Amino acid sequence: DQQVKQNSPSLSVQEGRISILNCDYTNSMFDYFLWYKKYPAEGPTFLISISSIKDKNEDGRFTVFLNKSAKHLSLHIVPSQPGDSAVYFCAASAGQFYFGTGTSLTVIP
Amino acid sequence: DTGVSQNPRHKITKRGQNVTFRCDPISEHNRLYWYRQTLGQGPEFLTYFQNEAQLEKSRLLSDRFSAERPKGSFSTLEIQRTEQGDSAMYLCASSLHSPAGSVRGYTFGSGTRLTVV
Repeated sequence: DQQVKQNSPSLSVQEGRISILNCDYTNSMFDYFLWYKKYPAEGPTFLISISSIKDKNEDGRFTVFLNKSAKHLSLHIVPSQPGDSAVYFCAASAGQFYFGTGTSLTVIP
Repeated sequence: DTGVSQNPRHKITKRGQNVTFRCDPISEHNRLYWYRQTLGQGPEFLTYFQNEAQLEKSRLLSDRFSAERPKGSFSTLEIQRTEQGDSAMYLCASSLHSPAGSVRGYTFGSGTRLTVV
């Protein structure tokens, strides 16, 4: 039972353009959301979070948007850089965290 | 280094052997989580602790799996009678969870990669 879904396994974007990664969830009890970045052979690295009382949170080039009615979360990276190339996971929590299966982002120089 | 530390980084074991992994969380964090991640998948929740209390266990955590956090600091995850299907990356994470429900500093370790041959 996949409560958090990332339907795009991969995404390619030109350097300098916007990367938009999407995440859908099914459990309306989720009240806290995270985005992580993962490089091969390393543990996930925290990027940005948002609580359910907000609809937007910004940190530098990263912005997370939350649409509770649609149960949809997105991560915008502007401008995208080659170093952003990694696998991105979204996670949602109602106590413990549930993770999506990840989206592999490739930023083309 | 004040991050989440996991040992060993890699473990190769024969099927049927027991293995134990250790996780040292960030010292001020009160919650500690264990996840399992296989290729092409996101981390799958196994169990978590609030201080020394084990609050939730996933159905993935069969009778062969046990986790402890005896003093509310480091935690161990033991797998008994390992099977080839146990081969995966085992991730530990910790966080500071307030009574009001806010979460701060959710941090993963680098993981322990288990290979059962």
